Amino acid sequence: DTGVSQDPRHKITKRGQNVTFRCDPISEHNRLYWYRQTLGQGPEFLTYFQNEAQLEKSRLLSDRFSAERPKGSFSTLEIQRTEQGDSAMYLCASTVGLQETQYFGPGTRLLVL
Amino acid sequence: AQKVTQAQTEISVVEKEDVTLDCVYETRDTTYYLFWYKQPPSGELVFLIRRNSFDEQNEISGRYSWNFQKSTSSFNFTITASQVVDSAVYFCALRRAGNMLTFGGGTRLMVKP
Repeated sequence: DTGVSQDPRHKITKRGQNVTFRCDPISEHNRLYWYRQTLGQGPEFLTYFQNEAQLEKSRLLSDRFSAERPKGSFSTLEIQRTEQGDSAMYLCASTVGLQETQYFGPGTRLLVL
Repeated sequence: AQKVTQAQTEISVVEKEDVTLDCVYETRDTTYYLFWYKQPPSGELVFLIRRNSFDEQNEISGRYSWNFQKSTSSFNFTITASQVVDSAVYFCALRRAGNMLTFGGGTRLMVKP
């Protein structure tokens, strides 16, 4: 049974460019979460999906951010017109049911120059 | 609002010493879940333990033990006979049933040989 996978693991981009990250949850996990972690801080919630429905979005998720989970399996997180403040680790987690533990992927480390 | 506080930002111990990582939380919910995750230098968050608000029994798993005290809103984590491989950042987190995790700021543990 494979864990949560994320791609790419590292991304360097120039300010103003668009980037897209992918998350593949554990098979049959119906809930998928995105978090952002800046250096020296704990992860902060961005958004989550139950199947293909996006159920909650944080105020951190500005209009430059969009997330999708079109078929209820993998998810993508896109950042448009990146800014230096977007530099962070983007973590994905998945779970099944309402009380189960969230299992995290290895993260995508983004650096905006 | 929910909040998790890890007052110790960094702890340094010598191998074989015991160490306790503190976690204090705030929530108005009567049903909630508490977690500890380990984040080694590779960046992936590794699940260690989950405890629900109705279960105040302490738990021991090998060299790890957890002390949950609802009266003081604390969920502390003790590593007995620490090892160099225990060096990592440890996060305490709080979750409402069905919702996202709220993380503390993390405690960086350095175990020196």
